[in-house]
Amino acid sequence: DTGVSQDPRHKITKRGQNVTFRCDPISEHNRLYWYRQTLGQGPEFLTYFQNEAQLEKSRLLSDRFSAERPKGSFSTLEIQRTEQGDSAMYLCASSFSPSTDTQYFGPGTRLTVL
Amino acid sequence: AQTVTQSQPEMSVQEAETVTLSCTYDTSESDYYLFWYKQPPSRQMILVIRQEAYKQQNATENRFSVNFQKAAKSFSLKISDSQLGDAAMYFCALTQGGSEKLVFGKGTKLTVNP
Repeated sequence: DTGVSQDPRHKITKRGQNVTFRCDPISEHNRLYWYRQTLGQGPEFLTYFQNEAQLEKSRLLSDRFSAERPKGSFSTLEIQRTEQGDSAMYLCASSFSPSTDTQYFGPGTRLTVL
Repeated sequence: AQTVTQSQPEMSVQEAETVTLSCTYDTSESDYYLFWYKQPPSRQMILVIRQEAYKQQNATENRFSVNFQKAAKSFSLKISDSQLGDAAMYFCALTQGGSEKLVFGKGTKLTVNP
């Protein structure tokens, strides 16, 4: 069990560019979550998948954000036309349902928008 | 709506001493779960302890224990025999049964003094 992995670990981009992050969950986990964490705050929920279905999206997830989990394994989070306010740590977590189980977090992708 | 409040932005403790971190929460649901997560500097978030709301017995994990007061909606974390490696941000989090998303508090930064 290698844990949840995220790529890249750091991303610096210019305002207006598109960025894509990848998350690989723990292999047997069927649920995958995305959170955003800004400096000095706790993580905020963005969205989650059960297998390939996106079951819930936060109002924080504007039209510029899209997430996919096409084969129920890895997931991507894309931000289009990045803004300076998008600068944050993007965390991915996974868990196994049907029980409410512990969410295991990846190391995160730190995004800096210049 | 669910909320989690951590009223102590920072705490410090001497090595080998005991410290208690506070957390209060609000939810209208009867089926929910509470968690304490630890986030060391520049490292990923890891689970410290979890508590099912339907269980009256307080959860314990080695040096970590909770005081779960359901009526008061309080969920404090006690760390006994503090070690230098316990220094981190500690986040209290809540999830409702059927929702699965975690709602986090703003965190408490714990410093352990040698």
